[in-house]
Amino acid sequence: ETGVTQSPTHLIKTRGQQVTLRCSSQSGHNTVSWYQQALGQGPQFIFQYYREEENGRGNFPPRFSGLQFPNYSSELNVNALELDDSALYLCASSRGGTGGNYGYTFGSGTRLTVV
Amino acid sequence: AQSVTQLGSHVSVSEGALVLLRCNYSSSVPPYLFWYVQYPNQGLQLLLKYTSAATLVKGINGFEAEFKKSETSFHLTKPSAHMSDAAEYFCAVSPYTGTASKLTFGTGTRLQVTL
Repeated sequence: ETGVTQSPTHLIKTRGQQVTLRCSSQSGHNTVSWYQQALGQGPQFIFQYYREEENGRGNFPPRFSGLQFPNYSSELNVNALELDDSALYLCASSRGGTGGNYGYTFGSGTRLTVV
Repeated sequence: AQSVTQLGSHVSVSEGALVLLRCNYSSSVPPYLFWYVQYPNQGLQLLLKYTSAATLVKGINGFEAEFKKSETSFHLTKPSAHMSDAAEYFCAVSPYTGTASKLTFGTGTRLQVTL
């Protein structure tokens, strides 16, 4: 198993800019979820993709968007960055449409700092 | 809606002592329950998961948890703490069914292990 890899590991952006974070899911995992973890908090669900379609979204505004590609890689895009977007962004992948029965494999995350 | 409550944001134990991290959940549907560990500047690693099979779940690194429906609890235990167990621990819940099986995390418990 190759695990879940995220890039870049760290990123500094200016308020108002746009950012793209990338994730390479574990081989055979067709479900990917993205989470935002603010400092000192638990991860918060952003959205989930299954077979390249978004099939669930948390309480995040539309400027948070994503893509999942046929090779199970995915992207998280954030437009019009705000200072509160500073956080660790985690990608998690799983086999199957629900994910719950299999558990998720998390990447090490991308630390985004908005200044 | 689902939620988890982790009692105690910080827990300190001596090396060799019992580790007990508390988690209570709220769910209107049968839940999947998880414990994850996060080391500094890293992603989340799955310790164990409850998926409606045995109520006593054994995980990695000597950890185990018991699902108690009557108490809506899923506490994490380890008989003897090691220095390497010092980390942040997150309890999470996911719905048993549904295509968007997002994980809802607690706020985490930081475990400190002292000599």
